[in-house]
Amino acid sequence: GAVVSQHPSWVICKSGTSVKIECRSLDFQATTMFWYRQFPKQSLMLMATSNEGSKATYEQGVEKDKFLINHASLTLSTLTVTSAHPEDSSFYICSARNGADGNQPQHFGDGTRLSIL
Amino acid sequence: AQTVTQSQPEMSVQEAETVTLSCTYDTSESNYYLFWYKQPPSRQMILVIRQEAYKQQNATENRFSVNFQKAAKSFSLKISDSQLGDTAMYFCAFTSRDDKIIFGKGTRLHILP
Repeated sequence: GAVVSQHPSWVICKSGTSVKIECRSLDFQATTMFWYRQFPKQSLMLMATSNEGSKATYEQGVEKDKFLINHASLTLSTLTVTSAHPEDSSFYICSARNGADGNQPQHFGDGTRLSIL
Repeated sequence: AQTVTQSQPEMSVQEAETVTLSCTYDTSESNYYLFWYKQPPSRQMILVIRQEAYKQQNATENRFSVNFQKAAKSFSLKISDSQLGDTAMYFCAFTSRDDKIIFGKGTRLHILP
């Protein structure tokens, strides 16, 4: 149980286009999901907290107009990288927690490798 | 501010040996959770083990165990009888009431045949 599906796993697109990444909790409901960015050989950096039915909470330094987050249902959150540029190329990972208890660990999607040409 | 520090960027051990990965953290919270995550070359994040701060007993999951020293704010991971499949990046992580996970910078572990 507690499977998180992330799609697509890899996307290559031209500079200036927008890219949408989906994060789905397949067998549980997630009121909160998290979006991370990971550069090569570095740790995960939290970008934003996605809350179902409300606006996302962005970490300091993350442009909310650049990285649009929508959490329309209890099983789906999307991250849209708008007008993507080469510096946005990175590995993006989402996570979700099964339940409101902080004891429950977050479950991660398999990540999306984004390459902007 | 809450921080997680992993002082060993990279480690190598022979297969079947035991290895310990270090982690220290800083927080003013009294109730929190600690985790070790494994990230193999596939880059999937896999939960290895977790520890509740209010529990004094060290968590154990098969070959993986932790040494949790709350007063020292230390949370090390011991891997016994290491296997080639244990080769991965290991992240120590902390979370408290706001649910945000704070990750350390990671330790790259190589298990040598």
